Amino acid sequence: GDSVTQMEGPVTLSEEAFLTINCTYTATGYPSLFWYVQYPGEGLQLLLKATKADDKGSNKGFEATYRKETTSFHLEKGSVQVSDSAVYFCALSIGGGSNYKLTFGKGTLLTVNP
Amino acid sequence: EPEVTQTPSHQVTQMGQEVILRCVPISNHLYFYWYRQILGQKVEFLVSFYNNEISEKSEIFDDQFSVERPDGSNFTLKIRSTKLEDSAMYFCASSRDRFNSPLHFGNGTRLTVT
Repeated sequence: GDSVTQMEGPVTLSEEAFLTINCTYTATGYPSLFWYVQYPGEGLQLLLKATKADDKGSNKGFEATYRKETTSFHLEKGSVQVSDSAVYFCALSIGGGSNYKLTFGKGTLLTVNP
Repeated sequence: EPEVTQTPSHQVTQMGQEVILRCVPISNHLYFYWYRQILGQKVEFLVSFYNNEISEKSEIFDDQFSVERPDGSNFTLKIRSTKLEDSAMYFCASSRDRFNSPLHFGNGTRLTVT
């Protein structure tokens, strides 16, 4: 079945450090890929998405590129801030961009220290 | 910005009891969903709901579970006879359409079955 594997957390960085959170997927079809973020005490929010190979999703300084050859969608940010501390979830959906049935990874807790 | 609200934030119940988790989706959204996350595990799709009926459900969503939209604003998840393994964080989500608009998640209800 479809699945998403994220790097195990927690990840602890200093402010202005470079961030990478690895995400790989297994899918029977041609998935759309997403990163969701959950700030403390809040619900999951869509951070960025990509719907086809080589697409780059970006938002708030975060980027991820849909790599079909490596079945990956790694999240990167060049310079993290304390306010980026949150849980990050990689997810996929199958079916022409429909996002109603998401398959999530376990989530990666990021803590950024000043 | 409109948001999805869930109540209660934390529910404690005894095994075998019925629980109802409540959600108020964003008012102009048409698609509604429940997801859950058992502690330390992945966020899992439970069910999607459109036009007053279930459009898809996962294997987890067995006869113990039901969903309802009792009026124009609420969307509920009922667990008829709770089990210890139902302890999890339950997330409600809504979207304006099925294919292009993102899912908006609530903050979740933490259900603890004792």
